Amino acid sequence: ELKVEQNPLFLSMQEGKNYTIYCNYSTTSDRLYWYRQDPGKSLESLFVLLSNGAVKQEGRLMASLDTKARLSTLHITAAVHDLSATYFCAVGVGGTASKLTFGTGTRLQVTL
Amino acid sequence: EAQVTQNPRYLITVTGKKLTVTCSQNMNHEYMSWYRQDPGLGLRQIYYSMNVEVTDKGDVPEGYKVSRKEKRNFPLILESPSPNQTSLYFCASSLYGGANQETQYFGPGTRLLVL
Repeated sequence: ELKVEQNPLFLSMQEGKNYTIYCNYSTTSDRLYWYRQDPGKSLESLFVLLSNGAVKQEGRLMASLDTKARLSTLHITAAVHDLSATYFCAVGVGGTASKLTFGTGTRLQVTL
Repeated sequence: EAQVTQNPRYLITVTGKKLTVTCSQNMNHEYMSWYRQDPGLGLRQIYYSMNVEVTDKGDVPEGYKVSRKEKRNFPLILESPSPNQTSLYFCASSLYGGANQETQYFGPGTRLLVL
């Protein structure tokens, strides 16, 4: 059974600080997705990582994928309050790689 | 406007009363999927569909049925709902599934309470 673990589960950080969220998974996959969910809202796609070594950046967020280590990171640079949300990673598995397993999420709170 | 719609958004029902949650997308996407979200468990995939008439189980398919007769619609059917199916349900779609899967677009969610 595939396990997807995110660390930390909860993160409180001050504005302007840097931090990294980790996503570890237990089986071979080269497809990793990051999503954001604001309280009471639906999910929004952030990044799609489709190969080993893939790195994508959008604003203050940067995601990377190391398929050998089965690890993806979401790095936050100079956090701002608007980044407060829950962040999920998801791993694609299966013969057609269409089955997705999500991590339990990291709730990020950026304080002023 | 490109979107995924779900109906109803909120539903209270009783154990054993069949219900259907509809999902529709207007982006001509091939891939559609259903998830449930529960506190502390994150999102879990129920069923997904690679294209019309092609569906497959996710991690938690028990108690659910789906069908994909048209490309735009992917209804979720609970034949005999039970209280443990009380949850927040999301439908999502993307242009392709499999190795070419890119961004998934999520619907607004359906909050279901089974008494």
